Amino acid sequence: QSALTQPPSASGSPGQSVTISCSGTSSDIGGYDYVCWYQRHPGKAPKLMIYDVTKRPSGVPDRFSGSKSGNTASLTISGLQAEDEADYYCSSYAYRNSYPNAIIVFGGGTKVTVL
Amino acid sequence: QLQLQESGPGLVKPSETLSLTCNVSGASITRSNFYWGWIRQAPGKGLEWIASIHYGTKTFYNPSLKSRVSMSIDTSKNHFSLDLDSVTAADTADYYCAREDSETSDNAFDVWGPGTMVTVSS
Repeated sequence: QSALTQPPSASGSPGQSVTISCSGTSSDIGGYDYVCWYQRHPGKAPKLMIYDVTKRPSGVPDRFSGSKSGNTASLTISGLQAEDEADYYCSSYAYRNSYPNAIIVFGGGTKVTVL
Repeated sequence: QLQLQESGPGLVKPSETLSLTCNVSGASITRSNFYWGWIRQAPGKGLEWIASIHYGTKTFYNPSLKSRVSMSIDTSKNHFSLDLDSVTAADTADYYCAREDSETSDNAFDVWGPGTMVTVSS
């Protein structure tokens, strides 16, 4: 069971928008602005799409955007394209009261299907 | 351009130690703003962070794996390694090495190796 909770699937038609949620706690998502989103195509390594909740690495289309409200982060893909069909994973820095204190937690992943 | 490449045995017997190496090319592994990590994905499961290491300072561990994991850096070969002790079938997974750049963001893995599949079986 993953530390962060994501819906197993999401879908949309080309050109539409799809939003994926990632729920955590005040010890991870809610407490720090260190949420990341990764895209993973089958057989490929994950690719960083969003970091620090809202920031995009160079080369990532601006169709991808991130946000956070309380203990829940979200990834929105606007103007959905066929190549966006992939698995998406959220991650967050988390702080625990017992050693080891500083850790990274992932969500279970959401499969995005372009209809 | 920074590139990472994992290497290691594709098959490990139960109770043995899994040893993986990540070769780093295009940058020095001792760069003060770089952290190096291992992440895995078991079949049908999500991504799981295993551990991260920073040259000269400290190592960070997933608490659920800490008792079985160790990481090290070999500056002469510009690579870093992962040892996972007492493996079971639950450790069967694709294993990835990756980099964090603290000048960009802490805890974001922005460069990944292609991954290596490890099966635990007798």
